[in-house]
Amino acid sequence: NAGVTQTPKFQVLKTGQSMTLQCAQDMNHNSMYWYRQDPGMGLRLIYYSASEGTTDKGEVPNGYNVSRLNKREFSLRLESAAPSQTSVYFCASSETGQGPDTQYFGPGTRLTVL
Amino acid sequence: GQSLEQPSEVTAVEGAIVQINCTYQTSGFYGLSWYQQHDGGAPTFLSYNALDGLEETGRFSSFLSRSDSYGYLLLQELQMKDSASYFCAVRDQSGTYKYIFGTGTRLKVLA
Repeated sequence: NAGVTQTPKFQVLKTGQSMTLQCAQDMNHNSMYWYRQDPGMGLRLIYYSASEGTTDKGEVPNGYNVSRLNKREFSLRLESAAPSQTSVYFCASSETGQGPDTQYFGPGTRLTVL
Repeated sequence: GQSLEQPSEVTAVEGAIVQINCTYQTSGFYGLSWYQQHDGGAPTFLSYNALDGLEETGRFSSFLSRSDSYGYLLLQELQMKDSASYFCAVRDQSGTYKYIFGTGTRLKVLA
């Protein structure tokens, strides 16, 4: 049981480049989330997917797109990277509606945009 | 809007007890969760309060008072490994599945 996996772990981009962050979970969870965390800050929700086939904007969606490819996979795309998108990106999943709705996080992707 | 406020930093010595507060402004939520995050790591779930009152999980306890819009995490018998950031979080009750995290509290445990 790998839990939530993310690739890549580290990435350096130049301004204007594009990339896709991959996330997969093997816990059969319905809901998946993408967060960003800036140094010394809390977690800010970018996009989330309550179930397969649906996606919704979170607090900071500008500059990002997402795809819920299937129940297991939820990808985050930066179409034209900007230095302001330098951050650590966490993917999470949860079985929403049951008990504490515990969020299980991946190890994160550390992205630097030059 | 919805927000969860926490003190930015708390310092305590090994063996002590520390309380990390979370005050919130949100129209409705299902319960209050707490997460721990060590430097360079991912957040991990610690505790959850669905109802008002105290929940105990080993050295960690969490409290919720919906009438006071307030909760806290209590860490007892502090150990050096407890040095980390702690976040409160709620799932929005508006019909979405959005999670909202607090601003986070950095706990430093001194020897």
